[in-house]
Amino acid sequence: DTEVTQTPKHLVMGMTNKKSLKCEQHMGHRAMYWYKQKAKKPPELMFVYSYEKLSINESVPSRFSPECPNSSLLNLHLHALQPEDSALYLCASSQGPAGTATYEQYFGPGTRLTVT
Amino acid sequence: DAKTTQPNSMESNEEEPVHLPCNHSTISGTDYIHWYRQLPSQGPEYVIHGLTSNVNNRMASLAIAEDRKSSTLILHRATLRDAAVYYCSFNAGNNRKLIWGLGTSLAVNP
Repeated sequence: DTEVTQTPKHLVMGMTNKKSLKCEQHMGHRAMYWYKQKAKKPPELMFVYSYEKLSINESVPSRFSPECPNSSLLNLHLHALQPEDSALYLCASSQGPAGTATYEQYFGPGTRLTVT
Repeated sequence: DAKTTQPNSMESNEEEPVHLPCNHSTISGTDYIHWYRQLPSQGPEYVIHGLTSNVNNRMASLAIAEDRKSSTLILHRATLRDAAVYYCSFNAGNNRKLIWGLGTSLAVNP
């Protein structure tokens, strides 16, 4: 099973709302990632968790707050977003710890976020 | 700055081989080359990765130049389901994060 699941599939939120994106994998992977993808662009790394600890934050604004409750789950909490934050948010996982070049990443289908 | 460059688009006919090129001239000796593809309305899908030697798997082959500054993803017999955006990338820097190209949009004609 190489599946990464993400909920919800679509999310529309106002600029004053608080919402959360969820990601789950049951492959025993030790690294989990959040990416943001704009139309016709490659994914852009936001955060990386390695062994349930935040190891990389790519200078993401504080209105995005990641959380890794356990080795299978990854959340992204959203608060006071701007319309320019509308994008496809992708979760991924890989077998080895972050910083290991040898392991491929498995991506979920993404959450399509629209901020109004 | 680390950089990956790919052609914007390519076209192929069904059941013919496809060679998708990528330049990664800033790659260092321990950086792995990764290829992913993304079908419409889906997340990226892992295709193949390698370091120095050519690599084969059930999806594709990866040919890596001797100086490692370029690579080619080979789809041996394109099908309509192979129509996607193909991203070349490599790990770089202390954090080993993937440096992505802008992707090649592959169209497959029946």
